[in-house]
Amino acid sequence: EAGVAQSPRYKIIEKRQSVAFWCNPISGHATLYWYQQILGQGPKLLIQFQNNGVVDDSQLPKDRFSAERLKGVDSTLKIQPAKLEDSAVYLCASSPIKGRTDTQYFGPGTRLTVL
Amino acid sequence: GQQLNQSPQSMFIQEGEDVSMNCTSSSIFNTWLWYKQDPGEGPVLLIALYKAGELTSNGRLTAQFGITRKDSFLNISASIPSDVGIYFCAGQSYGQNFVFGPGTRLSVLP
Repeated sequence: EAGVAQSPRYKIIEKRQSVAFWCNPISGHATLYWYQQILGQGPKLLIQFQNNGVVDDSQLPKDRFSAERLKGVDSTLKIQPAKLEDSAVYLCASSPIKGRTDTQYFGPGTRLTVL
Repeated sequence: GQQLNQSPQSMFIQEGEDVSMNCTSSSIFNTWLWYKQDPGEGPVLLIALYKAGELTSNGRLTAQFGITRKDSFLNISASIPSDVGIYFCAGQSYGQNFVFGPGTRLSVLP
């Protein structure tokens, strides 16, 4: 079974530029998560989707971050404009069981560097 | 908001030694998870705990759900080089998403 796919794996941009990350969850997984992991810290949830609907985006900085999962499968996370403090690894995870967040499978992440 | 503390922050041990690490919170949790993250990879679930006092093993790993429901412990026996990585705890209260700790970085010396 293929795992969670993410691209790109690395991205370097200058502050105030825009960037987008893509995630393809494990086939059949209805729940999808985006996390931000700053160096030396644990992952922090940004947004949770159930199919194509948002379940929790309470920690998403909505003035610059946006995410969508239009067809309930793959998802994109966008930052516009980027700030220096957005430098982090952005992890995508998916779960097969509605409401069971303890069954998350993580992708390898996209490492973003903002200069 | 809810925060988790993990100790130690990092540790260096000799191959074959046992390892203990813990995770504490000021909040009560109903579920505790332990993950391992290798460089350049996402976290991988090691053990899940659902009940206060529960002791669960996964090979050489053993984790416990603290009686107070505010802490959890992870032990690794007879460490090997592939145990190197960062170990994260994550706690969940009912109806909430998981909160991750800052991690314990483990280095194993041959």
